[in-house]
Amino acid sequence: AQTVTQSQPEMSVQEAETVTLSCTYDTSESDYYLFWYKQPPSRQMILVIRQEAYKQQNATENRFSVNFQKAAKSFSLKISDSQLGDAAMYFCAYRSVNAGNNRKLIWGLGTSLAVNP
Amino acid sequence: AAGVIQSPRHLIKEKRETATLKCYPIPRHDTVYWYQQGPGQDPQFLISFYEKMQSDKGSIPDRFSAQQFSDYHSELNMSSLELGDSALYFCASSPGTSGRNEQFFGPGTRLTVL
Repeated sequence: AQTVTQSQPEMSVQEAETVTLSCTYDTSESDYYLFWYKQPPSRQMILVIRQEAYKQQNATENRFSVNFQKAAKSFSLKISDSQLGDAAMYFCAYRSVNAGNNRKLIWGLGTSLAVNP
Repeated sequence: AAGVIQSPRHLIKEKRETATLKCYPIPRHDTVYWYQQGPGQDPQFLISFYEKMQSDKGSIPDRFSAQQFSDYHSELNMSSLELGDSALYFCASSPGTSGRNEQFFGPGTRLTVL
C-alpha cells in the first residue's frame, strides 16, 4: 500500500522569504500523481501544484515549485517570496493512475505553515 | 466557473440522530469522492462513485451509506451518529476515474455531533 509522510508538523517563514516543505512517499508503482494541497483557516481544500511521475521536469506554478526526486521518492514544495496569505496547512497527497487501482487520494498528515510579517 | 457544491455547510446533530450530506459535482463530472477530516487530522477517504455505481470503498463505517443519483449528485447518509463523527466532510468530483484527472473539492460540510 502507498503511504505519504510529512515529517514537519509545523514550519514558519518570514514574509518575502523562501520556505521548503518536505514530503516523502512509498509506492511500488511507476506511474502516479503527486499533489500539494493548501488548506487555509477556511478549511477549503485548494490544489497548489501537481506532478506527474513520468515527467522528469519539476512542476512550477508562479511562486510555488516542487523538487521531485523519483528515485528517492521525495516531493518537496518550495514557496518563494512568501506572503501572509500563504499561511495554511499544506498536505502532500498521492494518487495512482493504474487501471484497477484505487484512485483515491492518499494524504500525508500535513504541515502547518506560519508566515511572520 | 462552476464548482462543487456541498450542502449544508454546517450541521449540528445529537448523538444517535441521522444526517444527510449532499454533494453536487461540477457539471459533466461523473465521479464523486467523499472524504472525512477530523480536527487536526488529514482527510480520510470514505467512498467513491463512478457513473452511479460505487467504485471504491475506504474507511466508511457500516452506519454510513452513500449513493450517486442519475443527475450525478451524491448523498452521504449517516445514522446513529456518534461524537467521533464530528468532522469536516469533503466531496470532490472529477471527469472520470482516471488517476490523471484532477479531483475538485467542495467547501465541505462541517458536522458537529453533540
